[in-house]
Amino acid sequence: GENVEQHPSTLSVQEGDSAVIKCTYSDSASNYFPWYKQELGKGPQLIIDIRSNVGEKKDQRIAVTLNKTAKHFSLHITETQPEDSAVYFCAASIGSGANNLFFGTGTRLTVIP
Amino acid sequence: DAGITQSPRHKVTETGTPVTLRCHQTENHRYMYWYRQDPGHGLRLIHYSYGVKDTDKGEVSDGYSVSRSKTEDFLLTLESATSSQTSVYFCAIGETANTGELFFGEGSRLTVL
Repeated sequence: GENVEQHPSTLSVQEGDSAVIKCTYSDSASNYFPWYKQELGKGPQLIIDIRSNVGEKKDQRIAVTLNKTAKHFSLHITETQPEDSAVYFCAASIGSGANNLFFGTGTRLTVIP
Repeated sequence: DAGITQSPRHKVTETGTPVTLRCHQTENHRYMYWYRQDPGHGLRLIHYSYGVKDTDKGEVSDGYSVSRSKTEDFLLTLESATSSQTSVYFCAIGETANTGELFFGEGSRLTVL
């Protein structure tokens, strides 16, 4: 199956700074790349996703970029706020169906007020 | 929030005992999934269902079985629990077969002594 690597495992930033989380994937057939945010004691929640026919997608303070040639994608959070503190997971999917969705190992983001 | 209820939320059991976790949804979504979450591994798919009585294996299915007799309920059973099955288990639901947003429950923490 697909192998998704995620870095860093932990990230601390000052409030107002930007945060970047990077993921690489192994299978060039992967075509869907969601990002999930997991707050303490909760289940993961989708925050943004991108498909392989798009290089970048933005939604307010968050953006995702995709480099298919290099097989890596990144999550960018600008103007970080304390409520952005959470664990973030990237994932990659080969073809359709969530049964083909493979998750990274997670990044714990701490935003320091 | 998507109507997903997992029960029990916490369970401590002994090695060799059977355990059943329940996922109940009120969204009438066709697709249901069981994941386990472990440090250093992210989320890994155990089993999934694409309809009543239609189930299939995921990445880490050994030692687990599932059943879905009604659209709203998806049961995960550990026939004989082992310490390696100590984990946090998440149920997720999805509306379509194509990869899209997954809605996760709040998790069930299982400890096998």
